[in-house]
Amino acid sequence: DGGITQSPKYLFRKEGQNVTLSCEQNLNHDAMYWYRQDPGQGLRLIYYSQIVNDFQKGDIAEGYSVSREKKESFPLTVTSAQKNPTAFYLCASIGQGGLGEKLFFGSGTQLSVL
Amino acid sequence: SQQGEEDPQALSIQEGENATMNCSYKTSINNLQWYRQNSGRGLVHLILIRSNEREKHSGRLRVTLDTSKKSSSLLITASRAADTASYFCATEGGGFKTIFGAGTRLFVKA
Repeated sequence: DGGITQSPKYLFRKEGQNVTLSCEQNLNHDAMYWYRQDPGQGLRLIYYSQIVNDFQKGDIAEGYSVSREKKESFPLTVTSAQKNPTAFYLCASIGQGGLGEKLFFGSGTQLSVL
Repeated sequence: SQQGEEDPQALSIQEGENATMNCSYKTSINNLQWYRQNSGRGLVHLILIRSNEREKHSGRLRVTLDTSKKSSSLLITASRAADTASYFCATEGGGFKTIFGAGTRLFVKA
């Protein structure tokens, strides 16, 4: 089955630690996205990538970093500079045609601070 | 930056009733999408309506779009307990961005 796989489902971060959230897709999609969702809130865009080896900052990129070395993979690192990292993180990709087509989402990673 | 804003923030209805959620947006769009999210899960695409369409149906879902008022509505008919979820509208945010509203939380009582 094609889809987006996020791991782990739950992640705990100690103060001062960097943690990396995994996102893998086998949909052959070019564009991938990372969103942050706080309780009872909508989604805010962290980073997005339209093509391999290229990515752009979203609305709340500070304290986060990404890489896009392979089409299938778009990992997100939450750095120690992100002072309030507790949130639900969602990875998504977009199908043919790019903008204006539907997003496919992973099942999310809940990050909490110890 | 939020493009779409849903109304109401929360809605509680009885099974069998219809549920209506509204979305307002600020700038011109080519299309508008609605997504559903079950608690603690990813979003699932429900329906896309293009700017030259006024109404679209999919099963028990009916979406309308009024570009002159920059608003859209999602109607779920004959709701079921399994429809309990959060519903989000989404629009283009420039470039390759998709911007989501804060969502409407729907609770359907059995």
